Amino acid sequence: SAVISQKPSRDICQRGTSLTIQCQVDSQVTMMFWYRQQPGQSLTLIATANQGSEATYESGFVIDKFPISRPNLTFSTLTVSNMSPEDSSIYLCSVEVMNTEAFFGQGTRLTVV
Amino acid sequence: DAKTTQPPSMDCAEGRAANLPCNHSTISGNEYVYWYRQIHSQGPQYIIHGLKNNETNEMASLIITEDRKSSTLILPHATLRDTAVYYCIVRPGPYGQNFVFGPGTRLSVLP
Repeated sequence: SAVISQKPSRDICQRGTSLTIQCQVDSQVTMMFWYRQQPGQSLTLIATANQGSEATYESGFVIDKFPISRPNLTFSTLTVSNMSPEDSSIYLCSVEVMNTEAFFGQGTRLTVV
Repeated sequence: DAKTTQPPSMDCAEGRAANLPCNHSTISGNEYVYWYRQIHSQGPQYIIHGLKNNETNEMASLIITEDRKSSTLILPHATLRDTAVYYCIVRPGPYGQNFVFGPGTRLSVLP
């Protein structure tokens, strides 16, 4: 299994500002995934983050808006840049262990006002 | 797009078995069936997964039809804490494939 810690758990931010979300895993993992869950919706993958390389973004998500860092095998950050109210969502990081199930953090609940 | 179809909502009486169906008629031979649940905006929680055979663990049982086009997640004795959104996901076995979440089934366990 894997234990994932996300910080902050929630935040209220002003539009036009940026927020960096941290994801710490208690074991080394090759890939980390970042998801967004808009209010009342299911999860949508933002990007896949590999250590030592650029993140791979899904359609509709761009690096300028959601820059990701992956400095080592246990840590990653997602930044939500130049925020607008439409960015109000829960952001979750996820890792996969032992080629089986994925583990998820508890999420960061972001409200943009 | 998600490759599965689930009913949007279901009710179940506390203490009874909850049977959650999932259709995945386009599943490929190398794709596994996974079930996750999300309790009130927490992160999704792994429940069970399988390829062909029925599977059981301490949380639930997974019944996969012989043609693999559908499956059923069974919670044998539902409790109020099992109230959640349940997601059925199919994905290839190899490491590194992300999970594609559909809308899921909102299960309400009633006292």
